[in-house]
Amino acid sequence: QVQLVQSGAEVKKPGSSVKVSCKTSGGSFSTYPLSWVRQAPGQGLEYMGGIIPIFATTNYAHKFQGRLTITADESTSTIYMELSSLTSEDTAIYYCARVLVQGMVTTGPWGYWGRGTLVTVSS
Amino acid sequence: EIVLTQSPGTVSLSPGERATLSCRASQSVNSLYLAWYQQKPGQAPRLLIYAASTRATGIPDRFSGSGSGTDFTLTISRLEPEDFAVYYCQESGSSPSFGPGTKVDIK
Repeated sequence: QVQLVQSGAEVKKPGSSVKVSCKTSGGSFSTYPLSWVRQAPGQGLEYMGGIIPIFATTNYAHKFQGRLTITADESTSTIYMELSSLTSEDTAIYYCARVLVQGMVTTGPWGYWGRGTLVTVSS
Repeated sequence: EIVLTQSPGTVSLSPGERATLSCRASQSVNSLYLAWYQQKPGQAPRLLIYAASTRATGIPDRFSGSGSGTDFTLTISRLEPEDFAVYYCQESGSSPSFGPGTKVDIK
């Protein structure tokens, strides 16, 4: 059974960075694209970017280019999302999610999701 | 980026009733790239439908998806108590986007 286990909640100061992890188990890690999707309080869902671990190929939504870095560690079946230059508008739940089918597309659909990591940005 | 619009924003229905949720795209969408998710409070989204009309594993057959081009529909044939939630459509092209969601609440 596929499981995605995310790191715990974070509180960050404006201007700082946050790094969230997502450890996967069950199924193949390397050949399934994995993505990050966030949800601000009371708001909808927003795609941030994704990675294909076997190639370390990344795809970032235009909005986050320049301050988002997604990496993968095949030895631990874990991906990471690092977001820099945080502002209060980055306060959100950050979800990692695995694309439904193996391949080269990080943009969905996502069949498996982590439980989310709350990142709060506050001075 | 394709903009997705969902209607209604909120619908109030009773258990056993039929729910019809609409998702309209700002330009034509390849049906293979249209998905629907269900989200309950405090939970991650759950994939219901992908490729516009294919139910994900374990999804009851009271959920069905249809549509093409710019107009897509999620239908719940008979609402069960556990179906009251927010539903999002999503387009998984090169610049993926989500609709704003439709909340289905209990009348």
